[in-house]
Amino acid sequence: DQQVKQNSPSLSVQEGRISILNCDYTNSMFDYFLWYKKYPAEGPTFLISISSIKDKNEDGRFTVFLNKSAKHLSLHIVPSQPGDSAVYFCAAGDTGTASKLTFGTGTRLQVTL
Amino acid sequence: GAGVSQTPSNKVTEKGKYVELRCDPISGHTALYWYRQSLGQGPEFLIYFQGTGAADDSGLPNDRFFAVRPEGSVSTLKIQRTERGDSAVYLCASSPSPGRSGANVLTFGAGSRLTVL
Repeated sequence: DQQVKQNSPSLSVQEGRISILNCDYTNSMFDYFLWYKKYPAEGPTFLISISSIKDKNEDGRFTVFLNKSAKHLSLHIVPSQPGDSAVYFCAAGDTGTASKLTFGTGTRLQVTL
Repeated sequence: GAGVSQTPSNKVTEKGKYVELRCDPISGHTALYWYRQSLGQGPEFLIYFQGTGAADDSGLPNDRFFAVRPEGSVSTLKIQRTERGDSAVYLCASSPSPGRSGANVLTFGAGSRLTVL
């Protein structure tokens, strides 16, 4: 039972353009969401988060949008840079279960020159 | 320490052997997590410690897996009678106490890659 789904295993975007990574979830108990970025041979690093009481959170080039009725969130990166090439994981948590996170399977982003 | 430290970074073992993986969390973080990441998958929750006690071990796949955190800082994940299907990257993460600022954000180590031949 995949409670957090990232249906696009890979995405290729030109440098300077917008990257949009999508994530869907099924568990209505999730009340906060995070995006992590992972480079090879490193652990996931936190990128940005959003609480279910918001529909948008922005941090520099990164914006996360949450559509609770559709149980969908997306990460926008603009402008995309070659250093953004990595695997991006969507994660969801339920405040009632401490900080245990459920992760998606990841989307590999390739930013080309 | 400044970050979450995991040792060894790589471990190759034979089927049936016993393995220990160590995690040293960020100083002051009371919450510690173990996750497992198999090829092509996202991290999968194994166990969560709050202080010395395992608050949630619902992700441990079977009784061959066990984890301890005797003094509330360093944790060891122990795998008995390893099987080829145990091959994965084992990730450790820590966070501040629930209710503290940043408690929802887990900081991960680089992981221990386990290969069972």
